[in-house]
Amino acid sequence: SQQGEEDPQALSIQEGENATMNCSYKTSINNLQWYRQNSGRGLVHLILIRSNEREKHSGRLRVTLDTSKKSSSLLITASRAADTASYFCATVLYQAGTALIFGKGTTLSVSS
Amino acid sequence: GAGVSQTPSNKVTEKGKYVELRCDPISGHTALYWYRQSLGQGPEFLIYFQGTGAADDSGLPNDRFFAVRPEGSVSTLKIQRTERGDSAVYLCASSPGTSGRVETQYFGPGTRLLVL
Repeated sequence: SQQGEEDPQALSIQEGENATMNCSYKTSINNLQWYRQNSGRGLVHLILIRSNEREKHSGRLRVTLDTSKKSSSLLITASRAADTASYFCATVLYQAGTALIFGKGTTLSVSS
Repeated sequence: GAGVSQTPSNKVTEKGKYVELRCDPISGHTALYWYRQSLGQGPEFLIYFQGTGAADDSGLPNDRFFAVRPEGSVSTLKIQRTERGDSAVYLCASSPGTSGRVETQYFGPGTRLLVL
């Protein structure tokens, strides 16, 4: 079963614009992670945010976490064509194993 | 250093056949995971190893699926009597295994399995 759900399912923007993807989940978490998957390639870890953190930054990426709403958002600023990929949020449940539970992903298309 | 590698990259088999998929984790990583990703979906957890033992196999869909990691490094996912519904990309991931739940998992490129 999938715990997370990303929104929107697909997003098309122009280079230089910002892209925001949202993730909602159902069960209490230990941490939430965002991954990127390029066509035909494996998943690449982007950022991990713990349940007691509210915001993290990494380069052009900004992730927020609102545990009261069970939601997270990923913001990519000044997007580039190379950011074109599928983006997944994945949660590690609170006191229940270490496996990642993924959503269905958001497909981001950045055109130049 | 080398990342997670998986072989073969593609596997085509016929319904009812047996297949083995191999995963080579990052050297020194004690935690190893198998996931399955169907088209248009996110990866779904299958099984987790800590060292040689399967610490969590709750994601295996049925008893046709089995995985081993006899020496605590390389792992093999075995699927008996394959069915067309088993067609998917099988992903392997590893992590250091020292920080419990708060660890980055490093994924391999996957094995694309097609059952005809």
